Amino acid sequence: SQQGEEDPQALSIQEGENATMNCSYKTSINNLQWYRQNSGRGLVHLILIRSNEREKHSGRLRVTLDTSKKSSSLLITASRAADTASYFCATIHSGAGSYQLTFGKGTKLSVIP
Amino acid sequence: DVKVTQSSRYLVKRTGEKVFLECVQDMDHENMFWYRQDPGLGLRLIYFSYDVKMKEKGDIPEGYSVSREKKERFSLILESASTNQTSMYLCASKRSGEEKLFFGSGTQLSVL
Repeated sequence: SQQGEEDPQALSIQEGENATMNCSYKTSINNLQWYRQNSGRGLVHLILIRSNEREKHSGRLRVTLDTSKKSSSLLITASRAADTASYFCATIHSGAGSYQLTFGKGTKLSVIP
Repeated sequence: DVKVTQSSRYLVKRTGEKVFLECVQDMDHENMFWYRQDPGLGLRLIYFSYDVKMKEKGDIPEGYSVSREKKERFSLILESASTNQTSMYLCASKRSGEEKLFFGSGTQLSVL
């Protein structure tokens, strides 16, 4: 069953602008991960945030987590054309085995040069 | 550099054929996964394996089976391919106790 839902489904911005993507989920989680997928390729892990963390940074990426609202956001600052890809959030339910990582449907980001 | 390799990038098969999708990882990971990805539906888990010869059904196992005879290799089998199995198939692996998944490049399967 789908756990995370990304919003918006698609986002188009100019190079240099910031891009914000959101993820909402339904049940309690242990952690939330963000992945990136270039067109027609596999997914690449970007960042993981644990349920007891509120914010995490990695280079130009900033992830926030609000467990009271069951939501997370991914911010990409100073976007580049190479950031064009689909971005997925993924969660493991609290109490579930550590195997079942469920993905949202993704946000398709287009960065226009 | 860690690597998950899927045997075919593109595959075209006929309805009723038996199809094997192979996945090999070189990271000595215990856990391996097969997902399918369809437009508008995202990634859905078909099967996973947490050890050699062990397998568990995911969310959509119907019409599929898997084999894990060696730690590094996880095969997805379509016993009798159907057109609704046309999809992108993604293999992934991870180490037990860790959360990060490593993905292969995917196999785009078309069943005609």
